[in-house]
Amino acid sequence: EVQLVESGGGLVKPGGSLRLSCAASGFTFSTYHMNWVRQAPGKGLEWVSSITTSSTYIYYADSVKGRFTISRDNARNSLYLQMNNLRAEDTAVYYCARDDPYSGYDYDYWGQGTLVTVSS
Amino acid sequence: QSALTQPRSVSGSPGQPVTISCTGTSRDVGDYNYVSWYQQHPGKAPKLMIYDVTKRPSGVPDRFSGSKSGNTASLTISGLQAEDEADYYCCSYAGSYTWVFGGGTKLTVL
Repeated sequence: EVQLVESGGGLVKPGGSLRLSCAASGFTFSTYHMNWVRQAPGKGLEWVSSITTSSTYIYYADSVKGRFTISRDNARNSLYLQMNNLRAEDTAVYYCARDDPYSGYDYDYWGQGTLVTVSS
Repeated sequence: QSALTQPRSVSGSPGQPVTISCTGTSRDVGDYNYVSWYQQHPGKAPKLMIYDVTKRPSGVPDRFSGSKSGNTASLTISGLQAEDEADYYCCSYAGSYTWVFGGGTKLTVL
């Protein structure tokens, strides 16, 4: 069974940093591109970042470019999101999502999410 | 990238069809056949319902279907069931390895 379990969320002050983790199991993690998608409270979904299997290619939404860094450790079956210089508008549930192998342009499995709250 | 435009809410009676629209631009929905739809129940993770505009993942009931015309994609549920009550989000590839979601539609089963 495919499982994605996020962790690392919490309350942080504006300008602070946080590192999110996503532990993957039930599939060969190293063969899938991975993504972070977020959802502000009561709002819609927003694509944040994507990383290819060997970390060769990395992409970011303009809203987080220069502040967030996506990475992965295939030996540990883990995906990460380092978030620096956090702003109030970064408050959201952050989901780890797997690329759909049948398409490559959608997300076939999602974790339950971890809440990040940026507030003084 | 601006979010795709979805109606805030739609409703229908059990057994009736309902369609949710998703309007983008010629730079996303109109330019790529990579529109996907996600169902999200309260407090739960999103679930993939449709990908590549019209394709249905294994396990998704065949009452869910997708289509596209120009810059607008649509999700149709042919015979509403109580468990279909949820939020629905469209998503489109927008080029240069970026993706854009819709604002979401709350589906109420009357």
